[in-house]
Amino acid sequence: GAVVSQHPSWVICKSGTSVKIECRSLDFQATTMFWYRQFPKQSLMLMATSNEGSKATYEQGVEKDKFLINHASLTLSTLTVTSAHPEDSSFYICSANLPQSYNSPLHFGNGTRLTVT
Amino acid sequence: GENVEQHPSTLSVQEGDSAVIKCTYSDSASNYFPWYKQELGKGPQLIIDIRSNVGEKKDQRIAVTLNKTAKHFSLHITETQPEDSAVYFCAARENSGYALNFGKGTSLLVTP
Repeated sequence: GAVVSQHPSWVICKSGTSVKIECRSLDFQATTMFWYRQFPKQSLMLMATSNEGSKATYEQGVEKDKFLINHASLTLSTLTVTSAHPEDSSFYICSANLPQSYNSPLHFGNGTRLTVT
Repeated sequence: GENVEQHPSTLSVQEGDSAVIKCTYSDSASNYFPWYKQELGKGPQLIIDIRSNVGEKKDQRIAVTLNKTAKHFSLHITETQPEDSAVYFCAARENSGYALNFGKGTSLLVTP
Protein backbone atom coordinates (compact mmCIF):
# COMPACT_ATOMS: atom_id res chain seq x y z
CA GLY A 1 0.00 0.00 0.00
CA ALA A 2 0.88 3.66 -0.21
CA VAL A 3 3.46 4.88 2.24
CA VAL A 4 3.35 8.54 1.21
CA SER A 5 0.05 10.38 0.90
CA GLN A 6 -0.31 13.62 -1.02
CA HIS A 7 -3.29 15.96 -1.03
CA PRO A 8 -4.98 17.28 -3.06
CA SER A 9 -4.54 15.14 -6.16
CA TRP A 10 -5.50 18.05 -8.36
CA VAL A 11 -6.27 21.72 -7.91
CA ILE A 12 -7.27 24.62 -10.14
CA CYS A 13 -6.61 28.13 -8.97
CA LYS A 14 -6.64 31.64 -10.35
CA SER A 15 -3.52 33.67 -11.03
CA GLY A 16 -2.34 35.52 -7.98
CA THR A 17 -3.77 33.13 -5.44
CA SER A 18 -1.87 30.67 -3.25
CA VAL A 19 -2.20 26.90 -3.11
CA LYS A 20 -1.05 24.53 -0.39
CA ILE A 21 -0.10 20.93 -1.06
CA GLU A 22 0.29 18.44 1.77
CA CYS A 23 2.59 15.45 1.92
CA ARG A 24 2.23 12.91 4.70
CA SER A 25 4.30 9.89 5.57
CA LEU A 26 2.03 7.07 6.61
CA ASP A 27 3.01 5.02 9.65
CA PHE A 28 6.59 6.24 9.69
CA GLN A 29 8.50 9.35 10.58
CA ALA A 30 10.29 11.22 7.83
CA THR A 31 12.90 13.74 8.91
CA THR A 32 13.54 14.52 5.27
CA MET A 33 11.10 14.85 2.41
CA PHE A 34 11.79 15.88 -1.15
CA TRP A 35 9.62 17.97 -3.45
CA TYR A 36 9.79 17.43 -7.18
CA ARG A 37 8.12 19.11 -10.13
CA GLN A 38 7.35 17.39 -13.39
CA PHE A 39 6.27 19.07 -16.61
CA PRO A 40 4.39 17.04 -19.26
CA LYS A 41 6.48 14.31 -20.81
CA GLN A 42 9.54 15.35 -18.85
CA SER A 43 11.53 13.96 -15.97
CA LEU A 44 11.24 14.78 -12.29
CA MET A 45 13.16 17.86 -11.25
CA LEU A 46 14.08 18.34 -7.62
CA MET A 47 12.77 21.60 -6.22
CA ALA A 48 13.76 21.42 -2.58
CA THR A 49 14.65 19.20 0.34
CA SER A 50 12.34 19.59 3.29
CA ASN A 51 13.93 19.09 6.69
CA GLU A 52 11.84 18.64 9.82
CA GLY A 53 12.41 21.47 12.27
CA SER A 54 14.68 23.50 10.02
CA LYS A 55 14.66 25.49 6.83
CA ALA A 56 14.22 23.76 3.53
CA THR A 57 17.10 23.55 1.08
CA TYR A 58 16.17 24.83 -2.36
CA GLU A 59 17.70 23.86 -5.67
CA GLN A 60 19.27 26.49 -7.84
CA GLY A 61 16.67 28.46 -9.73
CA VAL A 62 13.80 27.64 -7.37
CA GLU A 63 12.45 30.73 -5.61
CA LYS A 64 12.13 30.04 -1.90
CA ASP A 65 9.73 32.95 -1.41
CA LYS A 66 7.44 31.60 -4.07
CA PHE A 67 7.51 27.95 -3.07
CA LEU A 68 7.16 27.94 0.69
CA ILE A 69 7.96 24.68 2.41
CA ASN A 70 7.01 23.86 5.97
CA HIS A 71 8.06 20.60 7.61
CA ALA A 72 6.58 21.16 11.04
CA SER A 73 6.21 17.54 12.08
CA LEU A 74 7.86 14.22 11.36
CA THR A 75 4.94 13.10 9.23
CA LEU A 76 3.90 16.24 7.36
CA SER A 77 5.53 18.57 4.88
CA THR A 78 3.62 21.24 2.99
CA LEU A 79 4.43 23.12 -0.19
CA THR A 80 2.66 26.42 -0.75
CA VAL A 81 2.77 27.97 -4.19
CA THR A 82 2.34 31.67 -3.58
CA SER A 83 1.04 34.21 -6.08
CA ALA A 84 0.56 31.46 -8.61
CA HIS A 85 1.05 32.12 -12.31
CA PRO A 86 0.05 29.98 -15.29
CA GLU A 87 3.68 28.92 -15.73
CA ASP A 88 3.50 27.31 -12.28
CA SER A 89 1.03 24.81 -13.71
CA SER A 90 2.72 21.46 -13.29
CA PHE A 91 2.67 18.11 -11.53
CA TYR A 92 4.13 18.40 -8.03
CA ILE A 93 5.28 15.23 -6.31
CA CYS A 94 6.64 14.69 -2.83
CA SER A 95 8.70 11.79 -1.58
CA ALA A 96 10.16 10.41 1.61
CA ASN A 97 12.59 7.70 2.68
CA LEU A 98 11.46 4.82 4.77
CA PRO A 99 13.70 5.17 7.84
CA GLN A 100 14.90 1.60 7.86
CA SER A 101 18.57 1.76 7.14
CA TYR A 102 21.28 3.40 5.15
CA ASN A 103 20.14 3.76 1.57
CA SER A 104 16.50 3.07 2.24
CA PRO A 105 14.14 3.34 -0.74
CA LEU A 106 12.49 6.62 -1.67
CA HIS A 107 8.73 6.43 -2.03
CA PHE A 108 6.58 8.96 -3.82
CA GLY A 109 3.14 10.34 -3.29
CA ASN A 110 0.67 10.25 -6.15
CA GLY A 111 1.32 13.85 -7.07
CA THR A 112 -0.74 17.01 -7.28
CA ARG A 113 -1.78 18.38 -10.65
CA LEU A 114 -1.82 22.18 -10.35
CA THR A 115 -3.52 24.24 -13.02
CA VAL A 116 -3.33 28.02 -12.75
CA THR A 117 -5.81 29.90 -14.87
CA GLY B 1 26.58 17.03 -9.40
CA GLU B 2 25.20 13.74 -10.61
CA ASN B 3 24.12 13.44 -14.23
CA VAL B 4 21.99 10.47 -15.25
CA GLU B 5 21.51 9.64 -18.92
CA GLN B 6 18.78 7.25 -20.00
CA HIS B 7 18.16 5.49 -23.34
CA PRO B 8 16.05 4.97 -25.29
CA SER B 9 13.47 7.70 -24.80
CA THR B 10 10.79 5.53 -26.39
CA LEU B 11 10.59 1.78 -26.77
CA SER B 12 7.94 -0.32 -28.45
CA VAL B 13 7.91 -4.10 -28.10
CA GLN B 14 5.45 -6.86 -28.81
CA GLU B 15 3.82 -8.68 -25.96
CA GLY B 16 6.04 -11.51 -24.77
CA ASP B 17 9.28 -9.91 -25.95
CA SER B 18 11.92 -8.47 -23.67
CA ALA B 19 12.59 -4.80 -23.06
CA VAL B 20 15.89 -3.29 -22.00
CA ILE B 21 16.46 0.25 -20.79
CA LYS B 22 19.94 1.57 -20.12
CA CYS B 23 21.26 4.33 -17.90
CA THR B 24 24.65 5.84 -17.22
CA TYR B 25 25.68 8.05 -14.33
CA SER B 26 28.57 10.41 -13.77
CA ASP B 27 29.21 10.55 -10.01
CA SER B 28 31.34 7.66 -8.79
CA ALA B 29 30.07 8.34 -5.26
CA SER B 30 26.56 7.21 -6.22
CA ASN B 31 25.81 3.83 -4.73
CA TYR B 32 22.07 3.39 -4.96
CA PHE B 33 20.20 2.90 -8.23
CA PRO B 34 16.40 2.53 -8.24
CA TRP B 35 14.00 2.14 -11.12
CA TYR B 36 10.53 3.66 -11.11
CA LYS B 37 7.44 3.03 -13.19
CA GLN B 38 5.10 5.95 -13.71
CA GLU B 39 1.63 5.59 -15.11
CA LEU B 40 -0.26 8.54 -16.49
CA GLY B 41 -1.35 10.99 -13.82
CA LYS B 42 0.30 9.09 -10.98
CA GLY B 43 3.44 9.36 -8.93
CA PRO B 44 6.43 7.12 -9.67
CA GLN B 45 6.29 3.65 -8.20
CA LEU B 46 9.48 1.88 -7.15
CA ILE B 47 9.78 -1.41 -9.02
CA ILE B 48 13.31 -2.52 -8.25
CA ASP B 49 16.55 -1.11 -6.91
CA ILE B 50 20.16 -2.14 -6.65
CA ARG B 51 23.02 -1.09 -4.45
CA SER B 52 26.63 -0.80 -5.45
CA ASN B 53 27.76 -3.92 -3.65
CA VAL B 54 25.59 -6.05 -5.94
CA GLY B 55 25.97 -6.65 -9.67
CA GLU B 56 22.55 -8.01 -10.46
CA LYS B 57 19.15 -8.30 -8.86
CA LYS B 58 16.03 -10.05 -10.08
CA ASP B 59 12.39 -9.95 -9.08
CA GLN B 60 10.19 -12.20 -11.19
CA ARG B 61 10.11 -10.68 -14.71
CA ILE B 62 12.21 -7.68 -13.77
CA ALA B 63 15.97 -7.58 -13.38
CA VAL B 64 18.55 -4.86 -12.96
CA THR B 65 22.26 -5.07 -13.67
CA LEU B 66 24.97 -2.71 -12.49
CA ASN B 67 28.47 -2.14 -13.80
CA LYS B 68 30.17 0.23 -11.38
CA THR B 69 33.37 0.38 -13.35
CA ALA B 70 31.58 1.55 -16.45
CA LYS B 71 29.01 3.53 -14.43
CA HIS B 72 26.01 2.07 -16.12
CA PHE B 73 22.99 0.09 -15.07
CA SER B 74 20.14 -1.48 -16.98
CA LEU B 75 16.56 -2.59 -16.48
CA HIS B 76 15.44 -5.81 -18.10
CA ILE B 77 11.78 -6.77 -18.40
CA THR B 78 11.07 -10.23 -19.76
CA GLU B 79 7.80 -11.63 -21.10
CA THR B 80 6.37 -8.14 -21.41
CA GLN B 81 2.66 -7.59 -20.98
CA PRO B 82 0.46 -4.67 -22.10
CA GLU B 83 0.17 -3.54 -18.48
CA ASP B 84 3.93 -2.97 -18.48
CA SER B 85 3.29 0.02 -20.74
CA ALA B 86 4.32 3.12 -18.81
CA VAL B 87 7.17 5.57 -18.43
CA TYR B 88 10.21 4.14 -16.67
CA PHE B 89 12.77 6.27 -14.87
CA CYS B 90 16.19 5.31 -13.64
CA ALA B 91 17.82 7.26 -10.83
CA ALA B 92 21.00 7.45 -8.80
CA ARG B 93 22.14 8.91 -5.51
CA GLU B 94 24.77 8.58 -2.77
CA ASN B 95 22.71 7.72 0.29
CA SER B 96 19.40 8.35 2.02
CA GLY B 97 20.27 11.92 2.93
CA TYR B 98 20.37 12.90 -0.72
CA ALA B 99 17.63 13.31 -3.27
CA LEU B 100 17.47 11.10 -6.32
CA ASN B 101 18.78 12.29 -9.66
CA PHE B 102 16.54 11.01 -12.41
CA GLY B 103 17.09 10.06 -16.01
CA LYS B 104 14.76 11.57 -18.58
CA GLY B 105 12.53 8.55 -18.77
CA THR B 106 11.66 5.85 -21.27
CA SER B 107 8.15 5.54 -22.60
CA LEU B 108 7.55 1.80 -23.02
CA LEU B 109 4.70 0.56 -25.16
CA VAL B 110 3.85 -3.12 -25.18
CA THR B 111 1.56 -4.02 -28.05
CA PRO B 112 -0.66 -7.12 -27.92
